[in-house]
Amino acid sequence: DAKTTQPTSMDCAEGRAANLPCNHSTISGNEYVYWYRQIHSQGPQYIIHGLKNNETNEMASLIITEDRKSSTLILPHATLRDTAVYYCIVPNFGNEKLTFGTGTRLTIIP
Amino acid sequence: EPEVTQTPSHQVTQMGQEVILRCVPISNHLYFYWYRQILGQKVEFLVSFYNNEISEKSEIFDDQFSVERPDGSNFTLKIRSTKLEDSAMYFCASSVRTVENSPLHFGNGTRLTVT
Repeated sequence: DAKTTQPTSMDCAEGRAANLPCNHSTISGNEYVYWYRQIHSQGPQYIIHGLKNNETNEMASLIITEDRKSSTLILPHATLRDTAVYYCIVPNFGNEKLTFGTGTRLTIIP
Repeated sequence: EPEVTQTPSHQVTQMGQEVILRCVPISNHLYFYWYRQILGQKVEFLVSFYNNEISEKSEIFDDQFSVERPDGSNFTLKIRSTKLEDSAMYFCASSVRTVENSPLHFGNGTRLTVT
């Protein structure tokens, strides 16, 4: 998978927007950016993915820069249940696996 | 919303024993995976399975491991002779298409404890 770089940890106040950055400067033209999260020892949970355009679903928004070398996951109104480790992953074509890094540990503060 | 289910949620076994971890993937999915996570460490890929055969496996997935889709609904991971270092959370996942083209849906895992 293309290498991604994320901050180790972040805090966000409950009710505020949580903005989680990810750098993926070696991304290729056809590779998607995926975001997953893992809430304390549960299975990883898919959040959102995108190629070039910004994407939004019921969980989050994904903003991808025009050069595609970085992206930001936005949780618009963070709740305590959003406390988790968030992973930004760019799977390589031809691979059958996701490579999980250490992600960003997001803590929502009451 | 359909989900991946795994059983048991917790399995305790003695070193050297065989264990089978079971998974029911989402019904219209075609690609199946096992991952594991040792306590405090990263989620690691073990194996992917498509069209009734292994499509990719990691170095962890040695001869002690095997996978099977015996009946079109279940997907199993067998560890023939467990070692202490096999203690981990094991996650099953499934997807409609390959990982670069569709999201993986994970189960909530089986915690395997080898004593």
